[in-house]
Parts: sequence; C-alpha cells; structure tokens
Amino acid sequence: GAGVSQSPRYKVAKRGQDVALRCDPISGHVSLFWYQQALGQGPEFLTYFQNEAQLDKSGLPSDRFFAERPEGSVSTLKIQRTQQEDSAVYLCASSLTSGDYNEQFFGPGTRLTVL
Amino acid sequence: TQLLEQSPQFLSIQEGENLTVYCNSSSVFSSLQWYRQEPGEGPVLLVTVVTGGEVKKLKRLTFQFGDARKDSSLHITAAQPGDTGLYLCAGRPFSGGYNKLIFGAGTRLAVHP
Repeated sequence: GAGVSQSPRYKVAKRGQDVALRCDPISGHVSLFWYQQALGQGPEFLTYFQNEAQLDKSGLPSDRFFAERPEGSVSTLKIQRTQQEDSAVYLCASSLTSGDYNEQFFGPGTRLTVL
Repeated sequence: TQLLEQSPQFLSIQEGENLTVYCNSSSVFSSLQWYRQEPGEGPVLLVTVVTGGEVKKLKRLTFQFGDARKDSSLHITAAQPGDTGLYLCAGRPFSGGYNKLIFGAGTRLAVHP
C-alpha cells in the first residue's frame, strides 16, 4: 500500500515568494500532522488536523504560515512572503486515529530553500 | 516548554562495537518513541515505550524508559554499518488528547566497516 507522499520534494523560492506544500496521507487516516525540521535538528510540531478540523496550530511560527485540509484527506501547508529562516524540511505525518500511542507514518518531506 | 535532550549528538564507531544513546528531559511524558531517519526520508518508528522502567528489545537494539518517565536510552549491541543513521527520540506529553510529539535533536550514528 502507498505511504504518505509529499510534493514537491524540493522547492527553491526567492525571499518574499509564496509557496504551497502538499501532503497526501495514507487513505483513511484521521490524524494529520505537519512538522518543520531545520538542518541538524529534530522535527518540530507545527499543526494538527483531525479529519478536516485544525485542532492545534500552536506550532506555526508566524501568521505567514497557514495550513488546511478541506476534505479531511489531502493537506496543504502554505507559507506567504517566505523568509530565509523558513528554509527547512517540512514533514507531514498521518495516523489512523487520534487515539493514544497511534503510530505516525511520515512522508519523505519537502526541502524548502529560500534564497 | 518541554524539551528532550539527546546525547551524544554525533557518534562514530567501528563495526562490532556497542553503543548507548541517551534521551533526557525534566518533563514527564506519557510515552516515548524512538525513530530512525535516513537522508531524504521521514523518520520511521522503531519502538514505543509506555510504562516507567519498561525495557523492549528489537534484535540488537534495547530500549529503556526511565522509572520516572523523564528519560530513555537506546543500546545497540555489535553495531553494523546498516545501523548508520539519525536516531530521534520523541515524547508524547500528557496534555493534548492526541498524539502530538516532542522530538529531540537526534544522535547521528556512523558505523564504519
């Protein structure tokens, strides 16, 4: 079966450009997470969806970051007016339910480089 | 802020050696997970430990959750080049009601033939 997929795998943006990163979770998975992984660091939580509802966006670094999951499946992370400090790998993960100890399955990530 | 500190940051060893990686926090977690991440890929779950003092073995890997549920260790016996990678610990806070994870910065392991 297909795992979590993300596109594009690599994105280069000029400072000030808007970008959109896509995540296709495993079919039927209720929970979807976005993480940001800076070079040499572990992933940091950005936001969480349960179906189409965004239940936690406490990790979004600024109001330039926006995420949506309108139909409870595919999710898009949008970054407006990109800055150099936004350069990182953006990981998406999904899990079957929202219950405790549910395994999160990670996608390969999108590496964003802002010049 | 709940933080997980991993040590060492980097580890370079010869094939056949044993090693231990540590994950420490001042906070208590309801569970702790260990992941391995290869370049260009997302983290892959190795194990979840839930109970204080719990020990789990996965072939040559032994995972332990501290009695106070604030720390964990990963021990690899007779390391092989295939063990090379980034090892991440991740804790699940008690609050939240869902599986939000707090990650450590990782230990980058290189095993040389």
